[in-house]
Amino acid sequence: GQQVMQIPQYQHVQEGEDFTTYCNSSTTLSNIQWYKQRPGGHPVFLIQLVKSGEVKKQKRLTFQFGEAKKNSSLHITATQTTDVGTYFCAGMTNSGYALNFGKGTSLLVTP
Amino acid sequence: DAGVIQSPRHEVTEMGQEVTLRCKPISGHDYLFWYRQTMMRGLELLIYFNNNVPIDDSGMPEDRFSAKMPNASFSTLKIQPSEPRDSAVYFCASSLMRYYNEQFFGPGTRLTVL
Repeated sequence: GQQVMQIPQYQHVQEGEDFTTYCNSSTTLSNIQWYKQRPGGHPVFLIQLVKSGEVKKQKRLTFQFGEAKKNSSLHITATQTTDVGTYFCAGMTNSGYALNFGKGTSLLVTP
Repeated sequence: DAGVIQSPRHEVTEMGQEVTLRCKPISGHDYLFWYRQTMMRGLELLIYFNNNVPIDDSGMPEDRFSAKMPNASFSTLKIQPSEPRDSAVYFCASSLMRYYNEQFFGPGTRLTVL
């Protein structure tokens, strides 16, 4: 079945440093979504990417979808302590509306 | 809107007992998802419904797990009998697929089976 791999598993940065997490799918995706989960909280939707090669920005966050629609990345510029949490990518294929979540990247930002 | 509502928020039970988790999706949403989250296995999709009909239950671990959606505003996930390895956070999420695929998650139920 479809698998979504996400790296790194953990990342510890100093406030102001950049951060990137990468996501790879074993199969071609119809779309990929990104979620953020704060410690003790629930996943919250950030964005959805649909088109091959798509790039979207939300303030300091930049999301990319690969040309082959099998990989994606999330880049945060100049991290802040409010960015702490676990970032998940989740892939959807054309076979249904199920999302296959990666294991997530836990980001720790120290001031 | 109050968002997705789940109850109870915490459940502690003993092995062998029946556990029922409840979910009220956002009004008007046509898809409902049940997930389980553990450190080892991450966030796993257990089952999802479309217009109250189960579409894919391939993620349900075994026959001890069952889920129902008797109407558009209520769903249950039942574990009978429960085992310690069922300890996890269970999330319910809902979505309105016609316009967007975003899933709205509830606060989760933290289940501990002793």
